[in-house]
Amino acid sequence: NAGVTQTPKFRILKIGQSMTLQCAQDMNHNYMYWYRQDPGMGLKLIYYSVGAGITDKGEVPNGYNVSRSTTEDFPLRLELAAPSQTSVYFCASSYYFGVDSNQPQHFGDGTRLSIL
Amino acid sequence: AQSVTQLGSHVSVSEGALVLLRCNYSSSVPPYLFWYVQYPNQGLQLLLKYTSAATLVKGINGFEAEFKKSETSFHLTKPSAHMSDAAEYFCAVSGKDSGYALNFGKGTSLLVTP
Repeated sequence: NAGVTQTPKFRILKIGQSMTLQCAQDMNHNYMYWYRQDPGMGLKLIYYSVGAGITDKGEVPNGYNVSRSTTEDFPLRLELAAPSQTSVYFCASSYYFGVDSNQPQHFGDGTRLSIL
Repeated sequence: AQSVTQLGSHVSVSEGALVLLRCNYSSSVPPYLFWYVQYPNQGLQLLLKYTSAATLVKGINGFEAEFKKSETSFHLTKPSAHMSDAAEYFCAVSGKDSGYALNFGKGTSLLVTP
């Protein structure tokens, strides 16, 4: 099983450029998440989605946008790249079935993004 | 919002020694607690998760964690460290806020010396 697939693995952008980080999962998970990881800070939630067509902001959404047109895909868009967005980005997914649940999240291998 | 605090950003143990990584949570309701491991240049892998069925939780690679409500703790242990255990370890908590997203601690880097 592929699990959660993120592309690209590495990218260097210039300030002001835009790009889309791709995330796809093949586990039929309804919940998907984007986190960013900065050294010594753990991971922080950028955006999340509880199903196709439904997205919401997390803790650090400024400068990012997302869409969820299908169950499988959850791309993250950077419109005007800034040095503060240099980070490692992780996509994750999980399955919730309508009751309180502690289903774990499955993570991709990350996209390492540098803004210069 | 629920949160976790990991005590010690770096922990060093000798190969064969006990591993103890500390995590305290803040929650007014029974939390959903997890430990994840991250090897260099990789994503996060689930080690174990807390369920209300048992306070002692066994995970992969010989790790286990004990949920102590009186101490609001969920420390991770392993009786005997292996060189392959060297990695970053994250404690995390989730709740109904933000679609059960995880709130992570800042992580503990485990170094295992020969």
